[in-house]
Amino acid sequence: GAGVSQSPRYKVAKRGQDVALRCDPISGHVSLFWYQQALGQGPEFLTYFQNEAQLDKSGLPSDRFFAERPEGSVSTLKIQRTQQEDSAVYLCASSLGLSGNYGYTFGSGTRLTVV
Amino acid sequence: QKEVEQDPGPLSVPEGAIVSLNCTYSNSAFQYFMWYRQYSRKGPELLMYTYSSGNKEDGRFTAQVDKSSKYISLFIRDSQPSDSATYLCAMMTGNQFYFGTGTSLTVIP
Repeated sequence: GAGVSQSPRYKVAKRGQDVALRCDPISGHVSLFWYQQALGQGPEFLTYFQNEAQLDKSGLPSDRFFAERPEGSVSTLKIQRTQQEDSAVYLCASSLGLSGNYGYTFGSGTRLTVV
Repeated sequence: QKEVEQDPGPLSVPEGAIVSLNCTYSNSAFQYFMWYRQYSRKGPELLMYTYSSGNKEDGRFTAQVDKSSKYISLFIRDSQPSDSATYLCAMMTGNQFYFGTGTSLTVIP
């Protein structure tokens, strides 16, 4: 597609439920990033993939968060046993370059609300 | 202290005004500097990108970087109501972007 596509757009989860968030990057983009954006804040880095390799996961807040990109295209961010503090917009971004220094193209995000 | 500091505003200006948005940072390792625009319920959209000190102009937008002062600015000339959005500064080192909190701008017709 023309842009980065994320699904679902909105997700309401009960506390303790597992969720999976999907990102379809721009075709051919090597780099893929996940960010978490709390209300009124800037995006915070979660993890970075170069093709299928997860090169940096230092931003994942806990071991309940897991991301994968098995074929180097679509990526899934999984959150296990969701907590209220996980409520945020989860943004995916992709970049043609290897380190994202061309600037990212962001998707519209998935708004997760944990109740 | 956060790596990137940005005044959240909100900022309200009349149509046609010149808008100045600013960020300061503390990490001298930052190599790339960007401005993103984010409309409500949308992802950030890249506006300007630069990697050196000085000015870069693109239409009504001018990005300014002063590495010695660790200060970056975005100027919007002849502001339009369609410019109403949140503006995020972002800086990069390695594979990570560090974003400011964003400044909410409203341009009043």
